[in-house]
Amino acid sequence: SQQGEEDPQALSIQEGENATMNCSYKTSINNLQWYRQNSGRGLVHLILIRSNEREKHSGRLRVTLDTSKKSSSLLITASRAADTASYFCATDASFNKFYFGSGTKLNVKP
Amino acid sequence: DAGVTQSPTHLIKTRGQQVTLRCSPKSGHDTVSWYQQALGQGPQFIFQYYEEEERQRGNFPDRFSGHQFPNYSSELNVNALLLGDSALYLCASSPRRQFGETQYFGPGTRLLVL
Repeated sequence: SQQGEEDPQALSIQEGENATMNCSYKTSINNLQWYRQNSGRGLVHLILIRSNEREKHSGRLRVTLDTSKKSSSLLITASRAADTASYFCATDASFNKFYFGSGTKLNVKP
Repeated sequence: DAGVTQSPTHLIKTRGQQVTLRCSPKSGHDTVSWYQQALGQGPQFIFQYYEEEERQRGNFPDRFSGHQFPNYSSELNVNALLLGDSALYLCASSPRRQFGETQYFGPGTRLLVL
């Protein structure tokens, strides 16, 4: 299976702190994407990083990719209560056929 | 610009029944994928449609079938419903069937099978 697996499964932090989530996968990928999901609703795309990229930034988000270790991390800086959600990594090896992990549930306490 | 839309939002069925879920992709997108998300799990790829044909399929039985129309909208059909089919069904669209394209997800249809 090529599924990405997020770590930790759950994370609870105070507002203003940074949150780091990790994703590991098993086979070669073309790109990796991070998504956010609020309360079992639709997924919101956060950031895409291609296999030839090592780091990408978008606002308060920073994503790294280490293809040699088959891992990625998502850093949310200066977290807010509104960041409370589940975060998923998704790996793409075949024309947008994505494999998702089981997600990290982030709780940001005000 | 409307995003991905899905209907209905919620659905209750009984075992053995059949269900049809609908999806309209984001404007300009021609590739539609369907995912099943069980409670507490990540989405699982069901299949993908492009040019009105099923192009890729995940590990789902033949009870799951689909269709894509000339306007790129899509339907997911599930026959002989089982209790285990209860889940959030997500539709995602992308601009074209290539690597590295962002998928945009709809809000999902929550199906409960009793």
